[in-house]
Amino acid sequence: DGGITQSPKYLFRKEGQNVTLSCEQNLNHDAMYWYRQDPGQGLRLIYYSQIVNDFQKGDIAEGYSVSREKKESFPLTVTSAQKNPTAFYLCASSTETGGDYEQYFGPGTRLTVT
Amino acid sequence: QKEVEQNSGPLSVPEGAIASLNCTYSDRGSQSFFWYRQYSGKSPELIMSIYSNGDKEDGRFTAQLNKASQYVSLLIRDSQPSDSATYLCAVAESGNTPLVFGKGTRLSVIA
Repeated sequence: DGGITQSPKYLFRKEGQNVTLSCEQNLNHDAMYWYRQDPGQGLRLIYYSQIVNDFQKGDIAEGYSVSREKKESFPLTVTSAQKNPTAFYLCASSTETGGDYEQYFGPGTRLTVT
Repeated sequence: QKEVEQNSGPLSVPEGAIASLNCTYSDRGSQSFFWYRQYSGKSPELIMSIYSNGDKEDGRFTAQLNKASQYVSLLIRDSQPSDSATYLCAVAESGNTPLVFGKGTRLSVIA
């Protein structure tokens, strides 16, 4: 069963704690992305990776870190430096085939920090 | 700053009618254009992609692209209550690059 998995679905943390969100894909996609969605807002890019062992900051990378040690995995760490971490976090992956390009999303992790 | 603009809605249409959703984008270098559907509390689901000027049809959905006007639209024919969701427009410069999203248009189909 191919797809993108994110875990956990819901995550609750106390302020000041780092937390790591998991994202795994078995679609053999080269590129992976992390976006954040706040209520009534569009998706904003946190980090992306187009190839293993390489990643680039997005528009709102401050307070976040990532790694891409395997093609299938792109975990996101929300650090205590992130001022407003409560949000819906979405992982995506993409492939380009014959000039066509499509990006698919995992089910998301809803993080609440109190 | 690359921007994608959508009317936030809500757009209300009766069941069986055509729903028309619109989007404009600022980056003339954009090459790939997408419509995602997002139900409340769920992740976005890709419903249409379009890469060249003109119309692209898939079932009840038609995407329209006009690069000269920097305008993308989505038509939903024979709208159903199950189409009620937020529709996100997204654009990309090229393959395997991040998407820039609009804030979405909320569609409500009234039975």
